[in-house]
Amino acid sequence: ETGVTQTPRHLVMGMTNKKSLKCEQHLGHNAMYWYKQSAKKPLELMFVYNFKEQTENNSVPSRFSPECPNSSHLFLHLHTLQPEDSALYLCASSQVQGGGSREQYFGPGTRLTVT
Amino acid sequence: GESVGLHLPTLSVQEGDNSIINCAYSNSASDYFIWYKQESGKGPQFIIDIRSNMDKRQGQRVTVLLNKTVKHLSLQIAATQPGDSAVYFCAENSGGSNYKLTFGKGTLLTVNP
Repeated sequence: ETGVTQTPRHLVMGMTNKKSLKCEQHLGHNAMYWYKQSAKKPLELMFVYNFKEQTENNSVPSRFSPECPNSSHLFLHLHTLQPEDSALYLCASSQVQGGGSREQYFGPGTRLTVT
Repeated sequence: GESVGLHLPTLSVQEGDNSIINCAYSNSASDYFIWYKQESGKGPQFIIDIRSNMDKRQGQRVTVLLNKTVKHLSLQIAATQPGDSAVYFCAENSGGSNYKLTFGKGTLLTVNP
């Protein structure tokens, strides 16, 4: 595997279900991110992890719970979601270093539908 | 507040023409800008970036122009091809937290053969 991978690619869940999204980066980066992409809206940053420590929580509801066990893996645990949470969830990674590129590398996303 | 936005939500061009996609930003502290391309069913892919100490940067068939005076960014695609059809996003970073990008809404580019 190369780059940033995400599983599953598609997920349908009921409002009472609990599920998890997984992201893995094979780039040796030290920062990972979760974004939400809804129709007609800009990408919304949800969480940032830098060296496994959460450095940003962008006022995300507690029904979304991130986990970063190491710098290569990132999870998003979902529970009691609402239909408006249906969206494409994108994971990204980057190498945070002074003066370097600030490019983020994105995975293909998980298309989530909440019924 | 800080925001990055796009002037045109859709752009339709003929194959072989040049395309110009525009972006406005409001954070005067932004010192790094990046363009992404997102094809259907895929995550955003890096196209080109530019720092605020430059006003122009060229890549393969793409050029990014930065006008800090009016806080405007544009992406020019030369000889547009059907494979260029996608949504294009600009994003900015203000350097203080160099890992946080703020994205615009996106412009859908359609290339007609």
